[in-house]
Amino acid sequence: DVKVTQSSRYLVKRTGEKVFLECVQDMDHENMFWYRQDPGLGLRLIYFSYDVKMKEKGDIPEGYSVSREKKERFSLILESASTNQTSMYLCASSRWAPTPQKGDTFGSGTRLTVV
Amino acid sequence: DAKTTQPTSMDCAEGRAANLPCNHSTISGNEYVYWYRQIHSQGPQYIIHGLKNNETNEMASLIITEDRKSSTLILPHATLRDTAVYYCIGHSGGSNYKLTFGKGTLLTVNP
Repeated sequence: DVKVTQSSRYLVKRTGEKVFLECVQDMDHENMFWYRQDPGLGLRLIYFSYDVKMKEKGDIPEGYSVSREKKERFSLILESASTNQTSMYLCASSRWAPTPQKGDTFGSGTRLTVV
Repeated sequence: DAKTTQPTSMDCAEGRAANLPCNHSTISGNEYVYWYRQIHSQGPQYIIHGLKNNETNEMASLIITEDRKSSTLILPHATLRDTAVYYCIGHSGGSNYKLTFGKGTLLTVNP
């Protein structure tokens, strides 16, 4: 099964800090994604990458940037953390698209609290 | 991606079949119906997907109506570990990289 590993399970940061969320996948997938999940809003796509050094904005990219220097690693960056970025962040990977792969293609999530 | 509508919550007795409905009346001809679930404090997990025909795998069965406007995910013998939020998603795959999750259905399996 695909393993998608997020570096931190829980994170607490102060307003204005620069925050890095790291995600690593071990299946040589081309596509990687960052979502945030908030109560009542479901999962919303922040950014995705379909190749090394390639990135595309998702539905809610404001306040975020990403980096994909290596195929297996996709980083989400909060340039200046704000309290409204307190959320659960989920990383995903897929060979073709974020769909029909048997097995888990999502990480377990990072719960970020900005105080 | 097609807009999907699911009940907010459902209950099921352990050992019984859980039938989770999903309406996707605006689904287009090339969009598949996908089901994921998310157990508390974990990332989403792929369950099953289908286009027109009914599908079955080791986790669940997917029944899609002939007009494709709705579908039902069936967990044949629900266990307590099946308690989760279940998401129904319409997605065309291919070069469309976005996968939009709605609010899903919270299935609670009771002993």
